[in-house]
Amino acid sequence: KQEVTQIPAALSVPEGENLVLNCSFTDSAIYNLQWFRQDPGKGLTSLLLIQSSQREQTSGRLNASLDKSSGRSTLYIAASQPGDSATYLCAVYGGSQGNLIFGKGTKLSVKP
Amino acid sequence: DTAVSQTPKYLVTQMGNDKSIKCEQNLGHDTMYWYKQDSKKFLKIMFSYNNKELIINETVPNRFSPKSPDKAHLNLHINSLELGDSAVYFCASSPNRGAGGYTFGSGTRLTVV
Repeated sequence: KQEVTQIPAALSVPEGENLVLNCSFTDSAIYNLQWFRQDPGKGLTSLLLIQSSQREQTSGRLNASLDKSSGRSTLYIAASQPGDSATYLCAVYGGSQGNLIFGKGTKLSVKP
Repeated sequence: DTAVSQTPKYLVTQMGNDKSIKCEQNLGHDTMYWYKQDSKKFLKIMFSYNNKELIINETVPNRFSPKSPDKAHLNLHINSLELGDSAVYFCASSPNRGAGGYTFGSGTRLTVV
């Protein structure tokens, strides 16, 4: 059974820092991995989708990498801003389950 | 022109009532889902439909019944609501059963009193 773990559970940084959020998954037979952002009381916004054949994806200040064989992904946020404060969710599709499996998220707080 | 829209956004109801949540997507996706986000913010799949056919039915009480009249709509009906049903319910859709990534709606916050 696929399990997704995100470390750390919470992170507080001063504005301007570069930071890395980690995600690991137990079954490497995935089709893709998706990073989402969730603001308090809001829905999920897709940030980046990495297919299993890809190593990384970039969007603006965000860069996500995927090492499928080791079951790991990282989300790198450059020059963090207070507006980046949110919960970041990692989710994988494929493996033994035919649906998106989520981690419990990393709650990020960026202090001005 | 919201991609995945859910109604209502908030739902407060008494125990024992029956309620429905509606979901519509205009992305042309074949597959739609219902996820539940519990009080600890963990998201878990409930149901999935592909072209109106049920393909995933997780261990969910049979008081929950999804209905897909066409591939653009997936509704969730809940009978005899209980306090423990209070949560945020998210609808999502994807092309190719998830191979193209998921798009989520903004959620329905259900509170049972």
